[in-house]
Amino acid sequence: GQNIDQPTEMTATEGAIVQINCTYQTSGFNGLFWYQQHAGEAPTFLSYNVLDGLEEKGRFSSFLSRSKGYSYLLLKELQMKDSASYLCAVRDGNYQLIWGAGTKLIIKP
Amino acid sequence: DVKVTQSSRYLVKRTGEKVFLECVQDMDHENMFWYRQDPGLGLRLIYFSYDVKMKEKGDIPEGYSVSREKKERFSLILESASTNQTSMYLCASSPTGPGDIQYFGAGTRLSVL
Repeated sequence: GQNIDQPTEMTATEGAIVQINCTYQTSGFNGLFWYQQHAGEAPTFLSYNVLDGLEEKGRFSSFLSRSKGYSYLLLKELQMKDSASYLCAVRDGNYQLIWGAGTKLIIKP
Repeated sequence: DVKVTQSSRYLVKRTGEKVFLECVQDMDHENMFWYRQDPGLGLRLIYFSYDVKMKEKGDIPEGYSVSREKKERFSLILESASTNQTSMYLCASSPTGPGDIQYFGAGTRLSVL
């Protein structure tokens, strides 16, 4: 079967750096997405990786290793507004999205 | 700014009622989707539509139907609501297929009593 694993919850301190991991086993791979979802709000697109390596976008970076079936989202200089759930989604061999359950990130002052 | 609007944020219905969840997008997207989001589970696709009057079953279509009479509007219908359909329902749209960037509404939290 297809599976995406993310930690359920993480806690970090304002101003610090946090890394949210995502591992996947899917039937084929055609890219990986990260979305952010604040409580009670719509998920919004953060990043997309299809090739190995690091994609940087301001305070947020996303890394992919296809051979390891692994990605992480790196958040730097954490702000209170970064408290949210972070969803990992893989586009499989049939170009369908498989979603992880999400990681709830709690930022403490 | 792209916008996907779900008509209700919260709904409470009784078992056996027919329930309509409405979604409208203003981006002229071809594709629209309905998901349910439950704690500890990833988003699960119920149905999607790639054109007006066209629909495809997702992973969990049982107990649901959909309607897309106009490009901008996609409705999810629970023919006879049951307690196990209590969930958060998310609507999304995409300019291309289901495997591309999707734009989501804020969700409808449905409670079936």
